Amino acid sequence: DIQMTQSPASLSASLGETVTIECLASEDIYSNLAWYQQKPGKSPQLLIYYANSLNDGVPSRFSGSGSGTQYSLKINSLQSEDVSIYFCQQNYDSPRTFGGGTKLELK
Amino acid sequence: EVQLVETGGGLVQPGKSLKLTCATSGFTFSNAWMHWVRQSPEKQLEWVAQIKAKSNNYATYYAESVKGRFTISRDDSKSSVYLQMNSLKEEDTAIYYCTWEYNSFDYWGQGVMVTVSS
Repeated sequence: DIQMTQSPASLSASLGETVTIECLASEDIYSNLAWYQQKPGKSPQLLIYYANSLNDGVPSRFSGSGSGTQYSLKINSLQSEDVSIYFCQQNYDSPRTFGGGTKLELK
Repeated sequence: EVQLVETGGGLVQPGKSLKLTCATSGFTFSNAWMHWVRQSPEKQLEWVAQIKAKSNNYATYYAESVKGRFTISRDDSKSSVYLQMNSLKEEDTAIYYCTWEYNSFDYWGQGVMVTVSS
C-alpha cells in the first residue's frame, strides 16, 4: 500500500496569514493527489484534485502543487471559516490511502 | 443536486452483523464507482471498499482490515450501494461514509455511526 505522510499534524495561524500543509507519498503517485477539508461535525469536502485542480466552488485562496512524491496545499489570507481538518489522499492506486490529517486552528 | 444518504448504523455487539445502505440521487448511478470510507473516533480516515460499474463487471475491492468480513454491493435500479458487515470488531467503530468517485471522492454522504461494543 502507498503510505501518505502529512505534516504538520496541527497548525495554529492568524487571520490573513498564509499557511502550507505538506503531504509525502511513499512512492511516485504521478499527481494523483487530492485534498479534502472537514469542518467540525461535517463530512469531508473535496478541495483540490489531481494535485492542483480546484474543485467547483472552492475559493481561489486555496491552491495545490507538487509532483512525484511531494505535494502541498497552500491557503492564502486565512479566513475564520478555514478552521478545519485537512486531509490528503492518493488516487493513483488501490487502496486509496489518506494522510493522517492536519488540524488548523486560529491563533 | 447530488445527494448520498447513509442509513443502517447503530450499536452492535462484537461478532454481530450490520448492513449499511447508501441511497443516491442527482447523478447517473449506473456509471458510478462507489466507495465506503470510515473515520475513526481519532478522526483518521480509512478507505474500506469499492465497487465499480456494470461496464467494469461490478469489480469489488476491500481494505485488508475488512476483507472476508465486509461485502459491498449495489442495486442500480435503486441507485443504492450497500455494505454488509459481519463478524464486527470493536475496532470497526467509526463513522461510515459512502462516496462517489468522479475526479476523486467528489461527493460524500453525511455519514452513519457504527458502534461495536458489548
